[in-house]
This record gives sequence, structure tokens and C-alpha cells, in this order.
Amino acid sequence: AQTVTQSQPEMSVQEAETVTLSCTYDTSESNYYLFWYKQPPSRQMILVIRQEAYKQQNATENRFSVNFQKAAKSFSLKISDSQLGDTAMYFCAFMKRNDMRFGAGTRLTVKP
Amino acid sequence: DAGVTQSPTHLIKTRGQQVTLRCSPISGHKSVSWYQQVLGQGPQFIFQYYEKEERGRGNFPDRFSARQFPNYSSELNVNALLLGDSALYLCASSLDLGISPLHFGNGTRLTVT
Repeated sequence: AQTVTQSQPEMSVQEAETVTLSCTYDTSESNYYLFWYKQPPSRQMILVIRQEAYKQQNATENRFSVNFQKAAKSFSLKISDSQLGDTAMYFCAFMKRNDMRFGAGTRLTVKP
Repeated sequence: DAGVTQSPTHLIKTRGQQVTLRCSPISGHKSVSWYQQVLGQGPQFIFQYYEKEERGRGNFPDRFSARQFPNYSSELNVNALLLGDSALYLCASSLDLGISPLHFGNGTRLTVT
């Protein structure tokens, strides 16, 4: 079974600075997909970024980028130029076929 | 375009009762998944439906059931409610099975007293 581990329950960062959220996963599969979702207090899970395991190039979406290390089974999220609106729970997720597994989440607070 | 809509937003039930949660997917999306998110944890997979057929089931008791209708909307039913069923229930839709990302609704907050 696939497991996803987020080792940082809480993190904080000053506005405009950079923060990295960690995620590791365990799988015997070679083809899969990885995601970072954001869940603000409004409760809605919002897709931040996705990475296909067969792609070596790290995904980037504006201020959000990932460091995907397939051999190490690591998938960290870097948020540059942090904004107050980035304050939320961030969940790392692994998907293979129809099965998506989430980590326990990291609560990120951006301080003014 | 409307996103994934869930109803009701909040619900309070008593132990032993039954509850039905509803979800309408994004227009054009044929797959609906249900997740349970207990406070302080990540979402846990309950069911996935595609083209009205169950395509995946998580590690939940038989008290949990679901179905998908011809218009691709879905219902999640939970019987004989327990205190531990208190959680945020999230519905997500996707275009199809496989690599399409999930789009989530705002969830239904269920409280069992």
C-alpha cells in the first residue's frame, strides 16, 4: 500500500520569503502521480501543482515549484515570495490509477 | 462554470441515525470520489464511482454506501452513525479515471452527537 508522510505538522514564514514543505512517500510502483493540494479555512481543497513520475523535470506553477526526487521518493513544495493568502493546510498526495492517498498535512502560516 | 457542489454544508445527527450526503460534479466530469477528513488529518478515500459503477472502495465498514446517478451526481449514505463518523466529507470529481486531477467541493461537516 502507498503511504504519504509529511513530517512538518506546522510551519511559518514571513511574507515575501521562501518556504519549503516536505513530503515523502512509499511505493513499489514506477508510474504514478504526485500532487500538492491547499486547504484554506474555507475547507475547499485546491490543486496547487502536480507532477508525473515519468517526467524528470520538476513542475512549476508561478510561485510554486516542486523538487521531485524519484529515487529518494521525495516530493517537496517550494513557495516563493510567500503571500498572506498562502496561509492554509497543505496536503501532499500520491495517485496510482484510481487510488489517491493523502498525507496528514502541514499547516502553513504566512506572517506579515 | 460551477464547481463541485455538496449539500448540505453542515449536518448534526444522533448516534444510530442514518445520513445522506449529496454531490454534483463539475459539468462534463464522469467520475466522483468521496473522502472522509477527520479533524487534524488528511482526507481518507471512501469510494470512487465512474459511469454509475463503483470503481474503488477504501477501508470503511459496510455502513458506508454510495451510488452515482445517470447525471453523474452522487450520494453517500452512512447508516447506524457512530460518534467517530463525525468529520468533513469531501466529494471530488474528475473527467475520467486515471490521471485527471481531482476537483473538490467545499465538503459537508457532519457532527454526530
